[in-house]
Amino acid sequence: EVQLVQSGAEVKKPGESLKISCKGSGYSFTSYWIGWVRQMPGKGLEWMGIIYPGDSDTRYSPSFQGQVTISADKSISTAYLQWSSLKASDTAMYYCARPGGGATTDWYFDLWGRGTLVTVSS
Amino acid sequence: DIQMTQSPSTLSASVGDRVTITCRASQSISSWLAWYQQKPGKAPKLLIYKASSLESGVPSRFSGSGSGTEFTLTISSLQPDDFATYYCQQYNSYPAFGQGTKVEIK
Repeated sequence: EVQLVQSGAEVKKPGESLKISCKGSGYSFTSYWIGWVRQMPGKGLEWMGIIYPGDSDTRYSPSFQGQVTISADKSISTAYLQWSSLKASDTAMYYCARPGGGATTDWYFDLWGRGTLVTVSS
Repeated sequence: DIQMTQSPSTLSASVGDRVTITCRASQSISSWLAWYQQKPGKAPKLLIYKASSLESGVPSRFSGSGSGTEFTLTISSLQPDDFATYYCQQYNSYPAFGQGTKVEIK
């Protein structure tokens, strides 16, 4: 089965670091981009960035550049989203999603993980 | 950056109604537009890509049209399972989503 499996919910304090994961299975992980999308409580979808695990080419939304780091370990078919110092405003659901266009930049997302809820509170 | 604006923000409709949601881009995006459906507590689901291509497995009552800067998502006969929030997303450049349209029961 083609799927993206995300790591579990996290509760963190402001200033702490965090790395969440997204494991792809059932398809060639290195042949598709993997993107990250934020959804703050009660709000809409925001594209954060995307990585091509085949060569680690990574692009960021200007809104998230410098705020998060996207990486991937192709040996275990897993993409990551990490923060070095969390803020309360990072509280959100984070989805990983795979575009349907393979190695192209047709970045519409046909496969989604279930999301990782990150709560940042003192 | 390309901005996407959806209208209306909320839509009240009844089962069987024909429903249309509009999405406007701040500059031309050709046909590089997708539509998603999201239900509470769930991940978004792709409905339409390249403005009018129906994703496999999506009911044919969903259709998309438009090009350039103006696009529409139409549900020909609203079903109980269709009450949800709908988002457009452009991928002519770095992806950007519209703010969403909530379709609620009238």
